[in-house]
Parts: sequence; C-alpha cells; structure tokens
Amino acid sequence: DAEITQSPRHKITETGRQVTLACHQTWNHNNMFWYRQDLGHGLRLIHYSYGVQDTNKGEVSDGYSVSRSNTEDLPLTLESAASSQTSVYFCASSVGGQADTQYFGPGTRLTVL
Amino acid sequence: AQSVTQLDSHVSVSEGTPVLLRCNYSSSYSPSLFWYVQHPNKGLQLLLKYTSAATLVKGINGFEAEFKKSETSFHLTKPSAHMSDAAEYFCVVSPPNDYKLSFGAGTTVTVRA
Repeated sequence: DAEITQSPRHKITETGRQVTLACHQTWNHNNMFWYRQDLGHGLRLIHYSYGVQDTNKGEVSDGYSVSRSNTEDLPLTLESAASSQTSVYFCASSVGGQADTQYFGPGTRLTVL
Repeated sequence: AQSVTQLDSHVSVSEGTPVLLRCNYSSSYSPSLFWYVQHPNKGLQLLLKYTSAATLVKGINGFEAEFKKSETSFHLTKPSAHMSDAAEYFCVVSPPNDYKLSFGAGTTVTVRA
C-alpha cells in the first residue's frame, strides 16, 4: 500500500547542531509539506513543494530549509538547532486540485537541549 | 487571508451523548474547509471536507459538518459519542486555487464512560 513515512520518529539533539528529518511518500504526489505542531498553535506550515526542484517558504520558515530532488522525498533541515525548535514535526503530501486532501505522516518528535 | 477559529479548546462529553465542535472561518473568497482528527501519538486523518457541492457534509465514523455562509461557521457534530472519539480535532481552511492549509488551534475531546 502507498504510504508516507518519517524518520526518525524521535530525535534528541544539542543546540547548534544540524539536524535533518526525512519524509518519504510512495503515492507519487506532486505536493509535499512540512508542519510543526506546538500546544495552542495547531499546525503551522514551515516549507512546501509543488514539484521537483520547487520549494517555498511557509509562515514559520526561519531556521529551516528543504530541497526536492525527486518526487518521493522532501527532507527538512534545521541548519543550527535551537531550543525553540523543540516540537513535533509532520510531513504531508497531496495530489493537487480543489479542496486538496493532504495525507500526513506519523510525525517526528524533536527535542533540542 | 484565510483563518479559522475553534471556539472551544476542550470539550468533555459522556459516552452516547452528542458531540459539538465549533469552528468559525474568515475568508475573502469561498474557501474549502476540512476537519482533521489526531488520535494520541498519531498523525492526522481527514474526517470530512466541504467543497461547495453540498452544505451538509458527511464524514467518517458518523461525523458530519454543516457549512453556514451567513454565520461563517463549519461546526462538527456527532449524534452519539464513542470512547474511540477521544482525540484532538482541527478545523482547517484552504483558499481557492491554493493547496496550503491553515489550521485552527485544535479542540481536545474527552469522552467519559
């Protein structure tokens, strides 16, 4: 069955380190998204991509970067991790079109000490 | 700009009684509206979505929502709560011709036996 996976599921790192979170989907979806979830804020969009070589900033993109070299993967990189980036991160993908349904991965819990 | 406000951060109901989760939206155009559910330590799953085809939308697990343009509301209901309905629920808006989602802060549902 097609799916969307994230790795690692849990990560503890130190302030200042570079961290990369992986997202892989097997639906062949054009669109991929990264969100962070924090208490009281719902999910907030970090970066998104509408196709290979396309990347765009979301509402909370500072300190994060993404690259899209193929359809299946959109890795999220924290250039220099900060304690404020402790959060749960969700990746999602969608086909595209009106009222587009996004399919979410299981999440990665990141702790920055 | 599109946004949603979930009017209750927490709702507690007894098993077998109705559930009502309230959501108001703000949009300059006719939006697409969604309800997503997140069970503890899981990713998000689509419950239902409004795409302007019908104002009363039926979703999975007995949930439904009614789009009321005059009240700018998209409230989620279920006639009879089940213990498995205990979860976090998110009201979500997407503008026309755009794939990005804007999430409400979420409503936590507790179901009492």
